[in-house]
Amino acid sequence: DTAVSQTPKYLVTQMGNDKSIKCEQNLGHDTMYWYKQDSKKFLKIMFSYNNKELIINETVPNRFSPKSPDKAHLNLHINSLELGDSAVYFCASSQDLTSGSYEQYFGPGTRLTVT
Amino acid sequence: GNSVTQMEGPVTLSEEAFLTINCTYTATGYPSLFWYVQYPGEGLQLLLKATKADDKGSNKGFEATYRKETTSFHLEKGSVQVSDSAVYFCALTPYNNNDMRFGAGTRLTVKP
Repeated sequence: DTAVSQTPKYLVTQMGNDKSIKCEQNLGHDTMYWYKQDSKKFLKIMFSYNNKELIINETVPNRFSPKSPDKAHLNLHINSLELGDSAVYFCASSQDLTSGSYEQYFGPGTRLTVT
Repeated sequence: GNSVTQMEGPVTLSEEAFLTINCTYTATGYPSLFWYVQYPGEGLQLLLKATKADDKGSNKGFEATYRKETTSFHLEKGSVQVSDSAVYFCALTPYNNNDMRFGAGTRLTVKP
């Protein structure tokens, strides 16, 4: 069984469009994240959600909005896509702090190409 | 602030060579330290971790020791294989905090 899954794996779209990427985890974790990985493999945290509460937002444009319908899902919606949004987006999850275990588990990534 | 610095790549080795990828960190308190590996076209996988000073994390022949005195967590493997070719990321989470910080990644290529 896949622990953290994302759909779609590839997404090609034009500038100005709105798109969503879905993420689901079946690990029972309390916190989920979105990362952006650029062409040089640099990872940047975008958001994290804990029990439906946003706890990190690293200067991400407000065109990006995370939506968490429940603890197992954290979707990423992007409005008015720009060329610079082209990247690989990773979803991840981790247990809560009381477990003392802070490692994150990553999904396979969604390669977004904006033309 | 909390940050991780790892050696710049790319690193190219012959099969069975010894591997070291340096990683140093800056953090307050006692962070947990991690190495993740990313194979081509895939997501990041946890390779090993250490949660307190002098702990040694190990997995698949890779090792790293949490050195508080030098604030380091260098990754080593005695004999690399072609299948180890990937990008390796050093990372930390501050004590009692799940805000993970990653290094820039080091690309390793192992040639037959």
